[in-house]
Amino acid sequence: AQSVTQPDIHITVSEGASLELRCNYSYGATPYLFWYVQSPGQGLQLLLKYFSGDTLVQGIKGFEAEFKRSQSSFNLRKPSVHWSDAAEYFCAERDTDKLIFGTGTRLQVFP
Amino acid sequence: SQTIHQWPATLVQPVGSPLSLECTVEGTSNPNLYWYRQAAGRGLQLLFYSVGIGQISSEVPQNLSASRPQDRQFILSSKKLLLSDSGFYLCAWRQPGQGFEQYFGPGTRLTVT
Repeated sequence: AQSVTQPDIHITVSEGASLELRCNYSYGATPYLFWYVQSPGQGLQLLLKYFSGDTLVQGIKGFEAEFKRSQSSFNLRKPSVHWSDAAEYFCAERDTDKLIFGTGTRLQVFP
Repeated sequence: SQTIHQWPATLVQPVGSPLSLECTVEGTSNPNLYWYRQAAGRGLQLLFYSVGIGQISSEVPQNLSASRPQDRQFILSSKKLLLSDSGFYLCAWRQPGQGFEQYFGPGTRLTVT
């Protein structure tokens, strides 16, 4: 069965520091990959997606992600974190009509 | 543009009572619809999804059920709630033929007491 792994449950960074959230997917043929963000008590918002083409994809809010087939990874990055980026981040992979989500990484930002 | 609504936003129900949560999507037709649950401190669990009116796929056996009486309406129900049904319920939609990303509603916080 397909699975998505987010190895980091909780990450803390200082405001202005760079950020990288890790994601590994299990299905290797032609993955469709996504990153979502969830603020407390709210629904999920799509940050970016990858289907094919350029392996570095840009998203909203200054986020980007890089697809690396050799490592089965799709890590999310941001060069300078803002306090408003504190939230939970989910990586997901398409499985036919469904999405398989990772367990999420909670990001805490210190001033 | 498309919008997705869920209600109620919060709900407190006693054990053994019935449940009905509603989700509607505007600005699209023939969407795929999904119900997820988030328990406290855990990830998303897909409960049901639907590719058309009256077509429901169940992902996890439980005392919940789902129905799709109209094209853009998706309802999550229970005849008798359990304490373990507490959680944050999210509805999502996807437009077939236009990518595989899903768009989520604001969620319903259910507390079973």
